[in-house]
Amino acid sequence: DAMVIQNPRYQVTQFGKPVTLSCSQTLNHNVMYWYQQKSSQAPKLLFHYYDKDFNNEADTPDNFQSRRPNTSFCFLDIRSPGLGDAAMYLCATNRGDKGGQETQYFGPGTRLLVL
Amino acid sequence: GEDVEQSLFLSVREGDSSVINCTYTDSSSTYLYWYKQEPGAGLQLLTYIFSNMDMKQDQRLTVLLNKKDKHLSLRIADTQTGDSAIYFCAESASPGSARQLTFGSGTQLTVLP
Repeated sequence: DAMVIQNPRYQVTQFGKPVTLSCSQTLNHNVMYWYQQKSSQAPKLLFHYYDKDFNNEADTPDNFQSRRPNTSFCFLDIRSPGLGDAAMYLCATNRGDKGGQETQYFGPGTRLLVL
Repeated sequence: GEDVEQSLFLSVREGDSSVINCTYTDSSSTYLYWYKQEPGAGLQLLTYIFSNMDMKQDQRLTVLLNKKDKHLSLRIADTQTGDSAIYFCAESASPGSARQLTFGSGTQLTVLP
């Protein structure tokens, strides 16, 4: 059974047209992450939520925003997509217990195409 | 900041062993991970190793860690065509609850029949 679900799997948007990507999880994990992965590159962390606390990476552009209305759902909003924002967007979760090893569980990703 | 490096490509014959190498710079890394990514898919955790271990074996997978040289390797025994994928090394140094992973650029493994 899918544990981290991302919808849609493929998203096409127009230059400058706002777009929202969705992630949901059935694991009841405290932490949810959004990564951007461009072709042939490593995933790059954009931001994460620990419960309701939002943590933005220093180099994440202002164009990227996130919402977490409840434990299960987290959204990535791109306010004005540019051609350079075309990428795979990966959502991940982990429990958020302090200390110890914690696996990050990844969703299948949403591939965004900007026309 | 942290840096994780991997070679970009590796080709092996089916049935041979594959060895994928990774180096990292953060000496405070506590856990090191290997993830597999098949085309168009998310990342699947293969295995991880705690920094106080030298070796971890899990079925066909063997992870070796040389902490002094900050070198990590993943050996896949009896490599199969289904092992063709991109393999990412990642390190985690955060002691907090939000495990921030720093990924290498990935190694594309191609298994030839």
